[in-house]
Amino acid sequence: AQTVTQSQPEMSVQEAETVTLSCTYDTSESNYYLFWYKQPPSRQMILVIRQEAYKQQNATENRFSVNFQKAAKSFSLKISDSQLGDTAMYFCAFITNTPLVFGKGTRLSVIA
Amino acid sequence: ETGVTQSPTHLIKTRGQQVTLRCSSQSGHNTVSWYQQALGQGPQFIFQYYREEENGRGNFPPRFSGLQFPNYSSELNVNALELDDSALYLCASSSRDRNTEAFFGQGTRLTVV
Repeated sequence: AQTVTQSQPEMSVQEAETVTLSCTYDTSESNYYLFWYKQPPSRQMILVIRQEAYKQQNATENRFSVNFQKAAKSFSLKISDSQLGDTAMYFCAFITNTPLVFGKGTRLSVIA
Repeated sequence: ETGVTQSPTHLIKTRGQQVTLRCSSQSGHNTVSWYQQALGQGPQFIFQYYREEENGRGNFPPRFSGLQFPNYSSELNVNALELDDSALYLCASSSRDRNTEAFFGQGTRLTVV
């Protein structure tokens, strides 16, 4: 079975600080893509960052970066210089030859 | 804005009724996937349509059905609504040929009473 586990249901961080959200996944496929999606109260799922499994280099997108450990099947998200607008649910997901498989999410609160 | 539009945004239905939700895909995308997101949970895959054919289905009963039209827009139909069908329904548009990430609409919040 293909699964995604996010072990932190809720996290909080002070504005301007750094926070890391954890994600592990399980798949027998060798080719896949990993994603972090952000879902603010507006409900729209917004892509934050994406990583191709065949690339060893960790993806970076402005203040967002990932730590991708393929052997450990781990894909954590680091948010630097946290901003109030980062407050949202964050979902880890991956896709192989099947549609997106999501974790249960981590609720992140950025505190002023 | 992702270019993926869902309608309606909110809907209240009575148990036993039928509902149709709609999704317009992003320009250039030929694949639409539907997800159900219960409160406090991650989205669960319902089914996917690729070039007007169902192309994969999650663990949902047959009373969940869909359509994709020649312009790649899509409908999700749910018959014989149950209270547990209350959820946010998300539509995701992608291009299977290019294996791009999925772009989501803003969702339809369905409440069954």
